[in-house]
Amino acid sequence: GQNIDQPTEMTATEGAIVQINCTYQTSGFNGLFWYQQHAGEAPTFLSYNVLDGLEEKGRFSSFLSRSKGYSYLLLKELQMKDSASYLCAVRDRNTGFQKLVFGTGTRLLVSP
Amino acid sequence: DAGVIQSPRHEVTEMGQEVTLRCKPISGHDYLFWYRQTMMRGLELLIYFNNNVPIDDSGMPEDRFSAKMPNASFSTLKIQPSEPRDSAVYFCASSSPPERGLAYEQYFGPGTRLTVT
Repeated sequence: GQNIDQPTEMTATEGAIVQINCTYQTSGFNGLFWYQQHAGEAPTFLSYNVLDGLEEKGRFSSFLSRSKGYSYLLLKELQMKDSASYLCAVRDRNTGFQKLVFGTGTRLLVSP
Repeated sequence: DAGVIQSPRHEVTEMGQEVTLRCKPISGHDYLFWYRQTMMRGLELLIYFNNNVPIDDSGMPEDRFSAKMPNASFSTLKIQPSEPRDSAVYFCASSSPPERGLAYEQYFGPGTRLTVT
């Protein structure tokens, strides 16, 4: 199976930069996803990494190191609306190309 | 597109009753997923379908849970009989192979908040 670890909670200040880490263990790694979930709402897709390196998309960037089983989501110029849970999810070719296993999520609180 | 549609949005029922949750995927998507989310266990995949056929139901907790997809635009998740430990938010999601890349992004519905008393 897969083990996915993320910090439970993080706090940061508006305008700052925050890095949310995710470590995973899986035998047939085939992609890592980050989703954002506001309280009481559905998860929405943020980013996808399958090769090592940094993927940048506006204020959000996601990094992957397959050899270390490690990813992070970097949020720049934090805004109050970024307060949400951030879910890391891994795909394993041994369990199906469509199946995602999610971590329990990191709840981020952005304060003024 | 209206996105993934789920009903009801909230359901409160008594232990032992049958509960049916409904989902309409995004038109043209050929994968449909049912997830359950709780504080303790996070977001867990229960079952997923491809072209209306169940592919992997290894996440279904027990025989009290069943899911069907009679056609490409409708799926149900049924719990019979329901128990208090089934209280959770149930999400339906759909996806389709992308034209480029391999992301296979999943689009989630708004969820059904189930409370079993």
